[in-house]
Amino acid sequence: AQSVSQHNHHVILSEAASLELGCNYSYGGTVNLFWYVQYPGQHLQLLLKYFSGDPLVKGIKGFEAEFIKSKFSFNLRKPSVQWSDTAEYFCAVNAKNTDKLIFGTGTRLQVFP
Amino acid sequence: DAMVIQNPRYQVTQFGKPVTLSCSQTLNHNVMYWYQQKSSQAPKLLFHYYDKDFNNEADTPDNFQSRRPNTSFCFLDIRSPGLGDAAMYLCATSGIGDVLSNEQFFGPGTRLTVL
Repeated sequence: AQSVSQHNHHVILSEAASLELGCNYSYGGTVNLFWYVQYPGQHLQLLLKYFSGDPLVKGIKGFEAEFIKSKFSFNLRKPSVQWSDTAEYFCAVNAKNTDKLIFGTGTRLQVFP
Repeated sequence: DAMVIQNPRYQVTQFGKPVTLSCSQTLNHNVMYWYQQKSSQAPKLLFHYYDKDFNNEADTPDNFQSRRPNTSFCFLDIRSPGLGDAAMYLCATSGIGDVLSNEQFFGPGTRLTVL
C-alpha cells in the first residue's frame, strides 16, 4: 500500500531562517507529488506539484521542492521564511492514472518575527 | 471565482442525530471527494465519485453515506454520529483528461461537533 511520511511534525523557526521539510513515500510505480499548505482557518491550497520533467519544481511564495526518485523523497524548501508562512504543510502522493491522494500527517510550521 | 463551497462551515449535532454536510463546485470537475480530518492528522479519504460512480474506501464505516445528485453537488450523510465522528470534513474536486487531472481542489471544510 502507498504511504507518505513526514518526519517533522512541528518546526519552529525565526524569520529569514531557511526551511526544509522532509517527505518520503512508498510506492514502486510512477507517481505525482504534491505539497499542500493550510493557513490558519483556511482551506488546503496547492503549493506546488511534480508530474514529470525537471525534478526541481518551483511553487508559489518562493517555495520549491526536489523530487529524488532514488530516495523516494520530495522535500520542500524555502531559503528564507516569513512570519506569514506559519501554516500546516502536507505532502501528498498519488499513483499515475488513479484518482486518490495519499497524504502525509502534516508538518506544523511556526515562524516567529 | 470558480471554487469548492462547503456548507455549513460549522455544524453541531447530537449523538445519534443524523446530519448532512453539503459541497458544491463551480469547476465542472468530474471527480468529487470527501475526506475526514481529525486534529493533527492527515486527511483521510472516505469515498469519492467519478461522475456518478461511487467509490467507497474499504475502511469507511457504514454510518457514512454520500449522494451526488448532479455534477455540481455532493452530500455527506452521517446516519448516527458518534463522538468519534467529530472532525473536519473536507470536500475536494478534480478534473480528468488532462495533465492536471490529479490535482485536487479543496473546499474550506465543515467542522462537525458531536455533543
